[in-house]
Amino acid sequence: IVMTQSPATLSVSPGERATLSCRASQYVSSNLAWYQQKPGQAPRLLIYGASTRATGIPARFSGSGSGTEFTLTISSLQSEDFAVYYCQQYNNWPPGTFGQGTKLEIK
Amino acid sequence: EVQLVESGGGLAPPGESLRLSCAASGFTFSNYAISWVRQAPGKGLEWVSTFSGGEGNINYADSVKGRFSIFRDNSKNMLYLQMNSLRVEDTAVYYCAKGDTVTTLGYFDCWGQGILVTVSS
Repeated sequence: IVMTQSPATLSVSPGERATLSCRASQYVSSNLAWYQQKPGQAPRLLIYGASTRATGIPARFSGSGSGTEFTLTISSLQSEDFAVYYCQQYNNWPPGTFGQGTKLEIK
Repeated sequence: EVQLVESGGGLAPPGESLRLSCAASGFTFSNYAISWVRQAPGKGLEWVSTFSGGEGNINYADSVKGRFSIFRDNSKNMLYLQMNSLRVEDTAVYYCAKGDTVTTLGYFDCWGQGILVTVSS
């Protein structure tokens, strides 16, 4: 199974909305997670079950989709949100199938 | 507080071995799958291996199968990765990651800080 994220790089101004996409090559139901990774840091779980925010994640992060098409939306970008975002499916083998990442950068 | 702390990385020449350790705390260790995920310099995330909770099923990525071994000591809340026959392409930051359930297939709800492994002559 292949996870494809788009775009590879997204340039957005602070305060604006960012929309990141993730597509699975096979059906994954709602078994889709999103992670945020800042330079020099470990990934952090943002969303699981395609749309459930992990503990402590601000409400400006939202996930949607099911099947093969998924979206991560950040409603009003804060300076600390500029990072790389990865999606991961956990419906099919192998267990840790990640997308290649989307780099969210300041415009 | 759930915490994972990796140790044991460093520099090794091709063909040699290294062992990574992951010390876990803040949760009932034996009830959860624990995995190793790596990230080559400037690259994305790559799943390496998982040791499930409960019955203890073990799985490896094809890229490390036959060279790496994962094992855990539930009495010490420790996970290990024995890396043999190291290759240059094994160079990466290795993360220990806690699964959300006892089974292998799941998302990763807590990550260690990562440990760098460099394979070079």
